[in-house]
Amino acid sequence: RKEVEQDPGPFNVPEGATVAFNCTYSNSASQSFFWYRQDCRKEPKLLMSVYSSGNEDGRFTAQLNRASQYISLLIRDSKLSDSATYLCVVNRPDSSYKLIFGSGTRLLVRP
Amino acid sequence: GAVVSQHPSRVICKSGTSVKIECRSLDFQATTMFWYRQFPKQSLMLMATSNEGSKATYEQGVEKDKFLINHASLTLSTLTVTSAHPEDSSFYICSAVVRSGSANYGYTFGSGTRLTVV
Repeated sequence: RKEVEQDPGPFNVPEGATVAFNCTYSNSASQSFFWYRQDCRKEPKLLMSVYSSGNEDGRFTAQLNRASQYISLLIRDSKLSDSATYLCVVNRPDSSYKLIFGSGTRLLVRP
Repeated sequence: GAVVSQHPSRVICKSGTSVKIECRSLDFQATTMFWYRQFPKQSLMLMATSNEGSKATYEQGVEKDKFLINHASLTLSTLTVTSAHPEDSSFYICSAVVRSGSANYGYTFGSGTRLTVV
């Protein structure tokens, strides 16, 4: 089983749609959770950290369910510029600084 | 904000040659730098962790004699791919831990190096 699993997609949605991505992680001892965005052939960029109580940043909402070891990202009112690959990232329990990246979910927002 | 400058952005080399990739922290001191490799449509895989002034620690399955890491100063870490082969062709990215205060930290990534070995 992969340490961080994501549906690779692609999710193909029209502008204005709401789309949700899910992610599961295998090690219950992980403490830090993130969503990163990666554009083609570019470095990943932090979209948002994920907190236990859930958090929102504009059109983006992240949720964490520790009991199910499940993380989600909701994007409302999709824009063309949201087209990218979204990476679910958790820390390695043996080292708080080391990160484990999911292979990403690809989003395509069409006009 | 904290910036890591990574060079070169793209390199093509012949099999058997060595390639050096540099990551410089421009406005902060990077005591810890992570080196990742990403194959197409796959996740970033951690290769090694470099710490200023000490030997790098390598992840399981990563050959330390093939991927030489040097972190001789607080602003520069280098990865040298020695005797490169076509299967080493990949996207290599560095990432530095950025600390703000005693408990808060984040990560900043270099822009990546696309290595093609022919």
